[in-house]
Amino acid sequence: AQKITQTQPGMFVQEKEAVTLDCTYDTSDPSYGLFWYKQPSSGEMIFLIYQGSYDQQNATEGRYSLNFQKARKSANLVISASQLGDSAMYFCAMREGRAGTASKLTFGTGTRLQVTL
Amino acid sequence: NAGVTQTPKFQVLKTGQSMTLQCAQDMNHEYMSWYRQDPGMGLRLIHYSVGAGITDQGEVPNGYNVSRSTTEDFPLRLLSAAPSQTSVYFCASSPFGPIQPQHFGDGTRLSIL
Repeated sequence: AQKITQTQPGMFVQEKEAVTLDCTYDTSDPSYGLFWYKQPSSGEMIFLIYQGSYDQQNATEGRYSLNFQKARKSANLVISASQLGDSAMYFCAMREGRAGTASKLTFGTGTRLQVTL
Repeated sequence: NAGVTQTPKFQVLKTGQSMTLQCAQDMNHEYMSWYRQDPGMGLRLIHYSVGAGITDQGEVPNGYNVSRSTTEDFPLRLLSAAPSQTSVYFCASSPFGPIQPQHFGDGTRLSIL
């Protein structure tokens, strides 16, 4: 079974609109962390936002927020006020277990976001 | 700030050749990892290390070796290159701590003919 599922291969959004990128995960470990990365066409991986399984509030970082629904095992990324520079691949990733496994991330297959004028 | 440095950026090999992909970080991070990225499959973990002298296998370790003799360096060795190893390889590092994000290098694009 896929541990991280991103069901949207591609998404379009108009500039200045908000967009939600879906991510569901599967784990039986009570301690885990969820990450979102952005990969522009230049290829580098850019960290965007993190949500821990014990965090009570949804994470936010500037225009990025994470809609964390623990019971549904979903961790959707919300980008507000989209900009042309947001066009990229977006990956959801999960780290399971305690701090000693921080170097092991499981990635989803990604969502390609295209921001249009 | 150098961060995570991968060399080379591009490489073409013939089947059966061996080579080493270099990865160095100057942030004194304990954790380092190697991933490969194939079209439509996201990133998959090859090997990882939680500190100097300690390495372990990830999801797709076959055909690759690693070592971690220093905190800074984490080279990935292809023992006998195969066309199935054509991919983009990313090295990443992170400091100790459950919420620390991984910092990625710019990747090495490897083609095996």
